[in-house]
Amino acid sequence: GESVGLHLPTLSVQEGDNSIINCAYSNSASDYFIWYKQESGKGPQFIIDIRSNMDKRQGQRVTVLLNKTVKHLSLQIAATQPGDSAVYFCAEISSYKLIFGSGTRLLVRP
Amino acid sequence: EAQVTQNPRYLITVTGKKLTVTCSQNMNHEYMSWYRQDPGLGLRQIYYSMNVEVTDKGDVPEGYKVSRKEKRNFPLILESPSPNQTSLYFCASSLSGGWAGELFFGEGSRLTVL
Repeated sequence: GESVGLHLPTLSVQEGDNSIINCAYSNSASDYFIWYKQESGKGPQFIIDIRSNMDKRQGQRVTVLLNKTVKHLSLQIAATQPGDSAVYFCAEISSYKLIFGSGTRLLVRP
Repeated sequence: EAQVTQNPRYLITVTGKKLTVTCSQNMNHEYMSWYRQDPGLGLRQIYYSMNVEVTDKGDVPEGYKVSRKEKRNFPLILESPSPNQTSLYFCASSLSGGWAGELFFGEGSRLTVL
């Protein structure tokens, strides 16, 4: 598969544990944030989004938290599974531009 | 099936030989965009289009051109490719640039410029 990042921060978790992936964004005026998952050899896939007027949003097994005070976004994955192994990107929307973070690699240990 | 289709998926070319990477979406999306992905740099936006005949530069537009003559197609043109354009390229589309919906990505096009 394609290598999406040779020197990415890596988070290693035990299968069944919860994962927390963090992201710092740059523009305090950004009004929309998205988390993407990218598996090897594939394009990024939408996971969950959150608007700047919210501080928490939950999906199926995933929760996104937004702290605008410190410009921090996190993705929580409950009961992490082997299929969750991937690179995760946060992205912020500002003036119709989508700006991606550099990504975090999640490894799930059996 | 709703999808974004890029071609070619893999291409090796030489410096200066013009090439086009096609992108087509079948979801009637208004917004389309091109990104390049390089190790350690994440995804960077090259160009985007809010609708037919409307295109704008992203963060790294140098050396690239785009056109949006039809809603479904958004080709990326490298008039004179150089080795620093060796990268993994992704096309994406969404319902609108106002981010009312999610961004759908293609499978990627791996370009090598010798």
